[in-house]
Amino acid sequence: DVKVTQSSRYLVKRTGEKVFLECVQDMDHENMFWYRQDPGLGLRLIYFSYDVKMKEKGDIPEGYSVSREKKERFSLILESASTNQTSMYLCASSPPGGLDTGELFFGEGSRLTVL
Amino acid sequence: QKEVEQNSGPLSVPEGAIASLNCTYSDRGSQSFFWYRQYSGKSPELIMSIYSNGDKEDGRFTAQLNKASQYVSLLIRDSQPSDSATYLCAVNTDNYGQNFVFGPGTRLSVLP
Repeated sequence: DVKVTQSSRYLVKRTGEKVFLECVQDMDHENMFWYRQDPGLGLRLIYFSYDVKMKEKGDIPEGYSVSREKKERFSLILESASTNQTSMYLCASSPPGGLDTGELFFGEGSRLTVL
Repeated sequence: QKEVEQNSGPLSVPEGAIASLNCTYSDRGSQSFFWYRQYSGKSPELIMSIYSNGDKEDGRFTAQLNKASQYVSLLIRDSQPSDSATYLCAVNTDNYGQNFVFGPGTRLSVLP
C-alpha cells in the first residue's frame, strides 16, 4: 500500500511564526502536491512538484513556499503564519500519469490553527 | 478559472435508498472525472472514475457522465450508514496539477 505520511496531525501556532509541514511518501512517486481544505471550498492546490528541486505554483500559492530536496519528501513552509492560514493541509503523491486515472494518494492531513 | 460545483448538502437518505450526488464542471476540455469519498477526519480516497459518456457501474456505485451537459453524477444503491461521508467530485483536463480540480464536496448522511 502507498503510504503518505504527514509529520503533524495537529499544530497550533502564533501569528508571524514560521511553520513547516512535512510530507513523506514511500512509493517512489514523482509527483507530489499540497492542498488546503476549507469548508465549502473543497481542496485547493497550493503547490505541486513533478521532480526533485522542481516546484510549480497552484491556485493559491500566496503566503506559502515549498521545498523538495529528495524525491520522497515535500515540505510546505508558511514563512509568517497568519490567521487566514488556519486550515486542514493535505499532502498527496501520484505516479506519472496518475492524474489521468485519479491516482492521488493522500496523507492523513495536518490541521493547523494560527492564533 | 476552471470550476467544479456540487451541492454542499447535507443530503440525507434512509438506509436502503438510492443516494444521488451531482456535479457540474465548467471546462469543456475536461477528459477524466472522478469521485472521492472522505470520511470525517480522514483523507479522500478514490472510489470511481469515468472517462466517456454513459454509465459505469462498480458494485453499488454507478457513475454517470454527460459531457454535452457538463454533468457527472454518482448513484449509490442500497445506501448503508457506512456510506455516510463527504463525496468529492474531481475533474481532470490534461494531467497537469492545476488542471485537476476538486469540487467542494457533498456531505451524505444515511439514516438507519
